[in-house]
Amino acid sequence: DQQVKQNSPSLSVQEGRISILNCDYTNSMFDYFLWYKKYPAEGPTFLISISSIKDKNEDGRFTVFLNKSAKHLSLHIVPSQPGDSAVYFCAASVGGAQKLVFGQGTRLTINP
Amino acid sequence: EAQVTQNPRYLITVTGKKLTVTCSQNMNHEYMSWYRQDPGLGLRQIYYSMNVEVTDKGDVPEGYKVSRKEKRNFPLILESPSPNQTSLYFCASSKGTGGFSYNEQFFGPGTRLTVL
Repeated sequence: DQQVKQNSPSLSVQEGRISILNCDYTNSMFDYFLWYKKYPAEGPTFLISISSIKDKNEDGRFTVFLNKSAKHLSLHIVPSQPGDSAVYFCAASVGGAQKLVFGQGTRLTINP
Repeated sequence: EAQVTQNPRYLITVTGKKLTVTCSQNMNHEYMSWYRQDPGLGLRQIYYSMNVEVTDKGDVPEGYKVSRKEKRNFPLILESPSPNQTSLYFCASSKGTGGFSYNEQFFGPGTRLTVL
């Protein structure tokens, strides 16, 4: 049973436009969410996170939104740059625990 | 440089031949974990360790063993590999328990394993 789902395997966006990556979860106990970015032949790297006491967190061009009632989070990248082309994973945890549950990933391609 | 290292990066082996993938971190992290990445399934946790001599099963532990004799090392052992263990493996570490800020996990570069 996939507790964290990224239903879009891939997304293509024009350079300079907004990229929106989505993630849904089923476990209402999740209270901390993270986004990781992965380039080919490298391990995932942490991008941004949000706890359930917030509904938005910003870091430069990256903003994560959390809708607890819908059990949905999204990552916005504005403006999108070619270097943003990568696979993005969302992950969730319960109560600050170290165990992370990951989604399937979304491959983002930024076109020049 | 703070990092998680894994060796080997690539490995092709045959069914039943025992192998070990090493993982080492230099950040004095308490928590370490192994994941496998498969198409359409994302990253799934195999085993994790909260500290030295403390290990536990993740979501897909069958066919794997781990040990944590030292804080920095967390090897993954496949005693009798089978073709369904062909995958991309990642080791990760984080500071440990202590609140949300400790959840950021640092990943190694990955080990691509093929079992024939």
